[in-house]
Amino acid sequence: GENVEQHPSTLSVQEGDSAVIKCTYSDSASNYFPWYKQELGKRPQLIIDIRSNVGEKKDQRIAVTLNKTAKHFSLHITETQPEDSAVYFCAASKGNTDKLIFGTGTRLQVFP
Amino acid sequence: GAVVSQHPSRVICKSGTSVKIECRSLDFQATTMFWYRQFPKQSLMLMATSNEGSKATYEQGVEKDKFLINHASLTLSTLTVTSAHPEDSSFYICSAQENEQFFGPGTRLTVL
Repeated sequence: GENVEQHPSTLSVQEGDSAVIKCTYSDSASNYFPWYKQELGKRPQLIIDIRSNVGEKKDQRIAVTLNKTAKHFSLHITETQPEDSAVYFCAASKGNTDKLIFGTGTRLQVFP
Repeated sequence: GAVVSQHPSRVICKSGTSVKIECRSLDFQATTMFWYRQFPKQSLMLMATSNEGSKATYEQGVEKDKFLINHASLTLSTLTVTSAHPEDSSFYICSAQENEQFFGPGTRLTVL
């Protein structure tokens, strides 16, 4: 089955700097890659997603890139703010209506 | 976005008892819901896929007789943890599908 690896497990940045989180997946049939932000004790919130027919997608300060050949995708957050501090999870599935397999998570801390 | 609720939000029970958790899609119909378990500082682990009107599909290593799932209507799935033990203490999160997966707020189960 699908296996998703995520790095780094923790990431600390200064406010205003950029943050990059990387994920790799194993199943070449996966074609939908969402990213979730989860604050302590709360539900995961979808922040951006990408499908395999697209190489990059951007939404204001957040962008995601996908390399299908290498089977990896990355989350880029620019101009980080303290409120970006949370745990971020990548996930992979064979379609946005199929089960999600999550990465191990990255705890991002943005220091003022 | 679509709204998914879970009840209860928090439950404490004695070892050996059973606990039922409800997951509802409030403003849409969901033929498929998913149940995840999340241990502290860990990722979301998919337990099972709940299909309306049919048996749930369990992930490898998840005991179907211990974690009973019922998806009796298009807006309600229930997870019953039977004969709960302290090691079942976890954060249980459901999600329901409508174009994308929307997560419930989670249920924190503590088994004494």
